[in-house]
Amino acid sequence: KNEVEQSPQNLTAQEGEFITINCSYSVGISALHWLQQHPGGGIVSLFMLSSGKKKHGRLIATINIQEKHSSLHITASHPRDSAVYICAVARWDNDMRFGAGTRLTVKP
Amino acid sequence: KAGVTQTPRYLIKTRGQQVTLSCSPISGHRSVSWYQQTPGQGLQFLFEYFSETQRNKGNFPGRFSGRQFSNSRSEMNVSTLELGDSALYLCASSLKSGNAGELFFGEGSRLTVL
Repeated sequence: KNEVEQSPQNLTAQEGEFITINCSYSVGISALHWLQQHPGGGIVSLFMLSSGKKKHGRLIATINIQEKHSSLHITASHPRDSAVYICAVARWDNDMRFGAGTRLTVKP
Repeated sequence: KAGVTQTPRYLIKTRGQQVTLSCSPISGHRSVSWYQQTPGQGLQFLFEYFSETQRNKGNFPGRFSGRQFSNSRSEMNVSTLELGDSALYLCASSLKSGNAGELFFGEGSRLTVL
């Protein structure tokens, strides 16, 4: 069983819809990262969380340390949000584990 | 402020050769971590360097090695290349070590092994 599980694997939405991507992990962590990867490979860090909730524009990320679960929400989705979203956890031993990613397609 | 720079961006090698990839972090960042991304395995952590010291290493064979210089620039080396080493190699820099700070990624070095 992977230490980091993401769902769904693929997600298609219409422009304007509210989107949620989930991440569950099974190890103790010092931080959780949400990353965005566009075609071509470049990765952008969206959020780094160790507790609570963060908001940046239309993106919101939450984490529940007790339940070992995090969610990434996109409000008023737009075609430019189409990308692969990756959850990654920084373990206490400095190792880093990644989810398999969620491929999001937002149609106009 | 310049971002993270990786060189070369693309390279082709043959089996048995060795390769060295370079990563220049954002100015002031002392942590550089390396990752391998393949279609089959996804993203995997290779190692992290902080202030010239390797902090941790992922589950990769000894053919994968790295180092960090006093100016925080880092290099990774893969010796005796295998076909399975074909991948996108990414580095990220951060103010904090242990992958516990915000990560800034380079564009990656895409390695093809023939």
